[in-house]
Amino acid sequence: GENVEQHPSTLSVQEGDSAVIKCTYSDSASNYFPWYKQELGKRPQLIIDIRSNVGEKKDQRIAVTLNKTAKHFSLHITETQPEDSAVYFCAASRGNFNKFYFGSGTKLNVKP
Amino acid sequence: DAGVIQSPRHEVTEMGQEVTLRCKPISGHDYLFWYRQTMMRGLELLIYFNNNVPIDDSGMPEDRFSAKMPNASFSTLKIQPSEPRDSAVYFCATTPPGTANTEAFFGQGTRLTVV
Repeated sequence: GENVEQHPSTLSVQEGDSAVIKCTYSDSASNYFPWYKQELGKRPQLIIDIRSNVGEKKDQRIAVTLNKTAKHFSLHITETQPEDSAVYFCAASRGNFNKFYFGSGTKLNVKP
Repeated sequence: DAGVIQSPRHEVTEMGQEVTLRCKPISGHDYLFWYRQTMMRGLELLIYFNNNVPIDDSGMPEDRFSAKMPNASFSTLKIQPSEPRDSAVYFCATTPPGTANTEAFFGQGTRLTVV
């Protein structure tokens, strides 16, 4: 099955700085890569996703890049704000079954 | 729609007792997933259903765990007998029909504590 690895496990940045979280996956057939944000005590919620026919996608301050050859994808958050503090999960899935394999999570702390 | 609804939100039970967690999916969603979240292991997929049929239960840790989906609007995850190592947050998530690889909508989760 798929194996998704995520780094770093914790990340602390100053408000206004950029944050980058990286994930690798093992199954070359994976073709959908969502990112979820989970605030303390809340449910995970989708913030951005990318499909394997696209190399980069951007939505305001967040962007995701995908390198299919190297089998890795990254989340980039620019101009970080305290409300960006949360745990971020990457995931990968393939085929028609919506079976998501999640990374272990990155706890992002944005210091004001 | 109120989203995916899970109950109870919190459950504290004694070791050896039976625990039943409940999930009501978003109306019309045809995939339903049960995840377990712990600090050590992150988000683990336990089992998922498509159109009420279990598709993959390879993530279910032991025979003590079972899940059912008797109809399109209700699913249960049962642990019998429960053990302290089952303590975790259990999430139910659903996805809409017709499109592969799409957003999973999570419920609020059930925080289970087995003492």
